[in-house]
Amino acid sequence: DTEVTQTPKHLVMGMTNKKSLKCEQHMGHRAMYWYKQKAKKPPELMFVYSYEKLSINESVPSRFSPECPNSSLLNLHLHALQPEDSALYLCASSPRLMAGAYTYNEQFFGPGTRLTVL
Amino acid sequence: GENVEQHPSTLSVQEGDSAVIKCTYSDSASNYFPWYKQELGKRPQLIIDIRSNVGEKKDQRIAVTLNKTAKHFSLHITETQPEDSAVYFCAASIPTSGTYKYIFGTGTRLKVLA
Repeated sequence: DTEVTQTPKHLVMGMTNKKSLKCEQHMGHRAMYWYKQKAKKPPELMFVYSYEKLSINESVPSRFSPECPNSSLLNLHLHALQPEDSALYLCASSPRLMAGAYTYNEQFFGPGTRLTVL
Repeated sequence: GENVEQHPSTLSVQEGDSAVIKCTYSDSASNYFPWYKQELGKRPQLIIDIRSNVGEKKDQRIAVTLNKTAKHFSLHITETQPEDSAVYFCAASIPTSGTYKYIFGTGTRLKVLA
């Protein structure tokens, strides 16, 4: 399996709902990422997990809660979202971590979940 | 601060012509520079990348150049085809907190006119 998969493809939720996004990869990558992408904008980093531990939180509101249960799976739990949180949520994984001056992290993106908050 | 500037924001070329997109980064610790192509409604796809110890890399019709001194890197597409039409993002990879993160450019919408 050489892909990052994400479910669901589309999600519509109300502001009082609780939902979760799921991301999976079986390439043995030990870094996984959540991005938010608004229309006509670049992906915006939200969280980075490295060896199943949260390494980076880009000051994301607490209504977004990431979870990495194992090295293949990454979840994003959503609660009390706002309409402005509607966006494409992308997951990515990377096979390399920091181990010297010339370690590079190619990131491979999943297809995304298109989220609409009503 | 961490910043990647990308120009132009839109680019229209005739089929068969060349297209050049330029990026400038600010963090001297950046050591890897990927380029992604994103078609409407689809995921970003890595099309070419360059490492900080290399000045130029080519893959068929696509090439990337890096000037570390000036902190500039550019994407060159030759013999453009209608299927090259998409949004292109550059990125700079920065080591941080024991891992890496990408700083993306703002994107270039490329239209190849048949």
